[in-house]
Amino acid sequence: QQQVKQSPQSLIVQKGGISIINCAYENTAFDYFPWYQQFPGKGPALLIAIRPDVSEKKEGRFTISFNKSAKQFSLHIMDSQPGDSATYFCAASTWLTGGGNKLTFGTGTQLKVEL
Amino acid sequence: ETGVTQSPTHLIKTRGQQVTLRCSSQSGHNTVSWYQQALGQGPQFIFQYYREEENGRGNFPPRFSGLQFPNYSSELNVNALELDDSALYLCASSSHGGGNSYGYTFGSGTRLTVV
Repeated sequence: QQQVKQSPQSLIVQKGGISIINCAYENTAFDYFPWYQQFPGKGPALLIAIRPDVSEKKEGRFTISFNKSAKQFSLHIMDSQPGDSATYFCAASTWLTGGGNKLTFGTGTQLKVEL
Repeated sequence: ETGVTQSPTHLIKTRGQQVTLRCSSQSGHNTVSWYQQALGQGPQFIFQYYREEENGRGNFPPRFSGLQFPNYSSELNVNALELDDSALYLCASSSHGGGNSYGYTFGSGTRLTVV
């Protein structure tokens, strides 16, 4: 059961362009939405995250836009660089009954930034 | 500050065998979560350990089990291996409680191949 849908599956952007990745969720219990970047042979690394009471968060070249009513959120990478070429995952967090949280991930977007 | 370390990095097992994967959590973190990442997919939550007890579990059968030790390190055990268990197994550590247990740090994973 996929609770977080991510698109596109792959993306090719020219250097300096804007990369946009979209995600949609169904479960209203999700209360934290992080984006992860994963390079081949490595584990996911937290890139940027947002809580549902905020509509936008920007950190450097990375911006999350969040639409709570539509249950959608997106990652924008401005001035995309070849070093940004990686797989990006959106995720959504829910609390576990014993405290702590678990993440539900999207299926990933393979981004390639061309020179 | 050390990150999350996992061992071994790669492993090949035969169907029906048992496997143990190990994880050392990041300094200052007391909670460990395990995720399974099939090729081309997002990570899926297996379970989480806090205070040496299972704190939550995803949709995985009982042949997936774990342990957490007093130093917060953890093991993932899989019995009766199946071909579909072939995946990257990720360990993530975090700090539990205080309303700020979102900050997962992932290890680089163990690549398990079942033949």
